[in-house]
Amino acid sequence: GAVVSQHPSRVICKSGTSVKIECRSLDFQATTMFWYRQFPKQSLMLMATSNEGSKATYEQGVEKDKFLINHASLTLSTLTVTSAHPEDSSFYICSADPLAHGYTFGSGTRLTVV
Amino acid sequence: AQSVAQPEDQVNVAEGNPLTVKCTYSVSGNPYLFWYVQYPNRGLQFLLKYITGDNLVKGSYGFEAEFNKSQTSFHLKKPSALVSDSALYFCAVRPTGGGNKLTFGTGTQLKVEL
Repeated sequence: GAVVSQHPSRVICKSGTSVKIECRSLDFQATTMFWYRQFPKQSLMLMATSNEGSKATYEQGVEKDKFLINHASLTLSTLTVTSAHPEDSSFYICSADPLAHGYTFGSGTRLTVV
Repeated sequence: AQSVAQPEDQVNVAEGNPLTVKCTYSVSGNPYLFWYVQYPNRGLQFLLKYITGDNLVKGSYGFEAEFNKSQTSFHLKKPSALVSDSALYFCAVRPTGGGNKLTFGTGTQLKVEL
C-alpha cells in the first residue's frame, strides 16, 4: 500500500513551453504532497509543499510563478514548469506522508528542455 | 534549523563484506530519522526509520541502523553486502513537532564489487 504514481517519467520540451507533471496517491488520500528537485549527483531540494484545497507553500528562492503547483483533490497534485528553459532541466520527485512518518516517493520525472 | 551530514560521497566494499554508510544529524529536540535508497533515474525507496524505542532499527533488504543520541549519528549497516546493493543512499531527518518536512543529506554512492 501507500503508492505514489508520478507521470511522465521522462519529458523533453522546447524552450519557452510549459510542462505539467502529475503526482497521484493511488491507495490513500494525501492532504499534503511535497515536490523536490534533484540535480545530477546531488541531494533532493525541497521546492514546495502542496496543500489540498489551498495555496502551496514554497521554499525560499523557488519562483512560485515559474513552478505552479495545484492540489485540487486529495489524490492529485500537479507541478507545472512554465516557460521552461534549459536551466530548468532536472529530475523532479514528488512525495507524500500517508502513514505519519512513512514518506513514500514517486518514481521521478526527468525533464529535459532543449 | 535541522541538517544532515553524510561525510562520504562514495563507499566501496567487496561483496560479502560488511558495509557502513555514515550519517550524522543536527536538529532541535528529538529527531525522526530515515534512510532511503535511490537507483538511477528512479524515486526514493524507503529502507528504515527511527521514531522512538529501540536504538537498533532493522529495515528492508537486510539493512539496519543504530540511533546514537550522544553522537547524533544514525549509520546504516549491513552484515554482508551484495552487488545489487550498489546505489545512492540518503539519510534524512525531521524534527518531532516541527512540521513534516524532511531534510536530506547529500547522499552516499555505494559501490559493491565482486
